[in-house]
Amino acid sequence: SQQGEEDPQALSIQEGENATMNCSYKTSINNLQWYRQNSGRGLVHLILIRSNEREKHSGRLRVTLDTSKKSSSLLITASRAADTASYFCATVRAAGNKLTFGGGTRVLVKP
Amino acid sequence: GAVVSQHPSRVICKSGTSVKIECRSLDFQATTMFWYRQFPKQSLMLMATSNEGSKATYEQGVEKDKFLINHASLTLSTLTVTSAHPEDSSFYICSARDLLSWDEQFFGPGTRLTVL
Repeated sequence: SQQGEEDPQALSIQEGENATMNCSYKTSINNLQWYRQNSGRGLVHLILIRSNEREKHSGRLRVTLDTSKKSSSLLITASRAADTASYFCATVRAAGNKLTFGGGTRVLVKP
Repeated sequence: GAVVSQHPSRVICKSGTSVKIECRSLDFQATTMFWYRQFPKQSLMLMATSNEGSKATYEQGVEKDKFLINHASLTLSTLTVTSAHPEDSSFYICSARDLLSWDEQFFGPGTRLTVL
């Protein structure tokens, strides 16, 4: 079953704008990860944030985690057409080793 | 970085036949591999966890006799879809966990299965 819910389900922005997507989950987690998937392809790992971390950066990506609200956000700054993809959050439970994926956000960056 | 390959990338088969999909970790050892299924415009759903040298652990609702998993070595896991039917048509993705890096899973490029 899916642990996470993501919103929005789809996002369309202009190149150069920022894209923000959110992920909510239900149970206590060990860590939360964000992945990107281009159409019909495999997943690319973007960033991992642990339950004791609140914010993490990687290049143009910024991830926040609020364990009290069981939610995370992914911000892509200065978006590019190449950022067009589906983005998924995935959680690893506190006592587990499996990834449970959210529904995903489809991002379209228009040139 | 760690690379996971899948073969074949695309397969079309007739209803009733069996299809084998291979998942290999190319430059690392993986005691655990995972198999996911993804329907169009949907998220990944975990089917089973494959452990080297032992039986796979299947998620609720996944038929173990239909989706046979074998993890014979630290670099290879196979998923066999037996007696495939059109409703089994999907995108199958494997991932592998590095023996030395517990948190991160590395994903294969996926296999598109179409059952006619």
